[in-house]
Amino acid sequence: GNSVTQMEGPVTLSEEAFLTINCTYTATGYPSLFWYVQYPGEGLQLLLKATKADDKGSNKGFEATYRKETTSFHLEKGSVQVSDSAVYFCALVSGGYNKLIFGAGTRLAVHP
Amino acid sequence: KAGVTQTPRYLIKTRGQQVTLSCSPISGHRSVSWYQQTPGQGLQFLFEYFSETQRNKGNFPGRFSGRQFSNSRSEMNVSTLELGDSALYLCASSLADSSYNEQFFGPGTRLTVL
Repeated sequence: GNSVTQMEGPVTLSEEAFLTINCTYTATGYPSLFWYVQYPGEGLQLLLKATKADDKGSNKGFEATYRKETTSFHLEKGSVQVSDSAVYFCALVSGGYNKLIFGAGTRLAVHP
Repeated sequence: KAGVTQTPRYLIKTRGQQVTLSCSPISGHRSVSWYQQTPGQGLQFLFEYFSETQRNKGNFPGRFSGRQFSNSRSEMNVSTLELGDSALYLCASSLADSSYNEQFFGPGTRLTVL
């Protein structure tokens, strides 16, 4: 079946450090891939998405590239801020409809 | 444009009771999905409704049910509550029918079962 695997957290960084959160997936067909972010006490917000191989999603300085050959969708940001502290979820949709399959989430803590 | 709203935001119930949670999607959105979030199991898909029809269902027992009304508002019901049903229940709405449209999430309902 379809699944998403994320690197375990927490990830602790200093402000302005480089961020990478690894995400790999298993899916039949051609999934669409997403990164969602959850701030404390809130629901999920879509951070970025990619719908086909080699697409690069980007938003708020975050980027992720859909790599079909390695079945990966790693999240990167060149310089993190304290305000980026949150839980990040990699997710996929495959086969139509709106059933999102999520990874376990990675908690990011950024210190000044 | 108002976002997805969920009511109530917090709920405390005891084992054996039943509960109904409500979700109002973004105006014009016809698809509503429900997810359960727990520390142990993470985010898990419960079910999705589109135009008042359940299109997809996750691996949850029959105690979990839902419905969607003609105005796209949705409710989910959990009967005979168990301690393990304590979770954050998230609702998401989306506009279109394709597999890669964005889902907008509400703030969730935090259910505590005592």
